[in-house]
Amino acid sequence: EIVLTQSPGTLSLSPGERATLSCRASQSISSSYLAWYQQKPGQAPRLLIYAASSRATGIPDRFSGSGSGTDFTLTITRLEPEDFAVYYCQQYGGSLTFGGGTKVEIK
Amino acid sequence: EVQLVESGGGLVQPGGSLRLSCAASGFTFSSYWMSWVRQAPGKGLEWVANIKQDGSEKYYADSVKGRFTASRDNAKNSLYLQMNSLRAEDTAVYYCARERGSHCLDSWGQGTLVTVSS
Repeated sequence: EIVLTQSPGTLSLSPGERATLSCRASQSISSSYLAWYQQKPGQAPRLLIYAASSRATGIPDRFSGSGSGTDFTLTITRLEPEDFAVYYCQQYGGSLTFGGGTKVEIK
Repeated sequence: EVQLVESGGGLVQPGGSLRLSCAASGFTFSSYWMSWVRQAPGKGLEWVANIKQDGSEKYYADSVKGRFTASRDNAKNSLYLQMNSLRAEDTAVYYCARERGSHCLDSWGQGTLVTVSS
């Protein structure tokens, strides 16, 4: 089973700052099968990025994804108040697995 | 508009059974893989199972293999999760979700809470 490790566990930033979230896989995965989700308290997750770098429908362009092989990154260029949430990466390599999540909190 | 609505959660004793349902609307249900994902209180997301469009292929997380069974009824636009031999560690909110071709999950229900406790 492929394990995804997200870092940092918590990111404390101010609105307007740039957020860089990391997702590292225990073995190389296809970029086609790497996705990112946002989850706010009491809500279901929402798809942000699929195929490592493609934004899902309705996702603002301040969200971008990059990476390949074992190292992937979600970048939020300028944090808006509604962006403070938990973010998960997810891969498909025969089965689906999620990373442990990164919480982006207000500093 | 894509809608997924889960139901069937509740309180069940350890060793008991429960059947979750997910009613789909707003898209051609029979054209998509579907997944179940759960989230224990205060924890992260855990994929549980998925099922192919025609139900011919099903895959499970090791943690539920042999105890949970996913199924679907395309005529009723419905997805199911039969959960047997439930344990305290199965306590979670259970979400159904639609899978895209790249096996990402592009639409989610609101979730249904399953509590396993005596």
